[in-house]
Amino acid sequence: KQEVTQIPAALSVPEGENLVLNCSFTDSAIYNLQWFRQDPGKGLTSLLLIQSSQREQTSGRLNASLDKSSGRSTLYIAASQPGDSATYLCAVGGNNDMRFGAGTRLTVKP
Amino acid sequence: GAVVSQHPSWVICKSGTSVKIECRSLDFQATTMFWYRQFPKQSLMLMATSNEGSKATYEQGVEKDKFLINHASLTLSTLTVTSAHPEDSSFYICSASWLAGVYNEQFFGPGTRLTVL
Repeated sequence: KQEVTQIPAALSVPEGENLVLNCSFTDSAIYNLQWFRQDPGKGLTSLLLIQSSQREQTSGRLNASLDKSSGRSTLYIAASQPGDSATYLCAVGGNNDMRFGAGTRLTVKP
Repeated sequence: GAVVSQHPSWVICKSGTSVKIECRSLDFQATTMFWYRQFPKQSLMLMATSNEGSKATYEQGVEKDKFLINHASLTLSTLTVTSAHPEDSSFYICSASWLAGVYNEQFFGPGTRLTVL
């Protein structure tokens, strides 16, 4: 069974810093990997989707990488802003299922 | 495109009553729909997977007689929490996917917050 781990569980940084969130998974036979943002009490906002054949995806200040062989993905956030404060979830898509990590709770201080 | 809605967005009910949550794909036909549950400060846990016209497949530890899932059409799936109890209070999120699109990508609904008194 696929297990997804996110490190760190929580992170607090001053505004303007670049930061990296980590995600690891145990089974490299994946279809895709997706990063989501979740604000308190809200649903999921999809940030980036990386197909298994891809190495990275970029959207604005966000860059996500995927290394299937090592079972790792990183989400890089450049020039962080207070509005980036949220929980970031990594989810690994398998054959008709998706497994989520526990998330990294990010706080960006003004 | 690829919008998924849920109704209601929140519901409060008394212990022992049943609650139905709807999940709709608004602009595509969903061959598969998924139901997740999220307890406070925890991640999403898959409860069940349903394919249109078939019985749902439940994850280990999820009671199929308590959480009834119906996927009667390609745009609608319902989750009924029968005889709800306070421990069923949670955030329920559905997602939908279709094989013709980005393979296996799931599109998520906004969630339904259930509070059982």
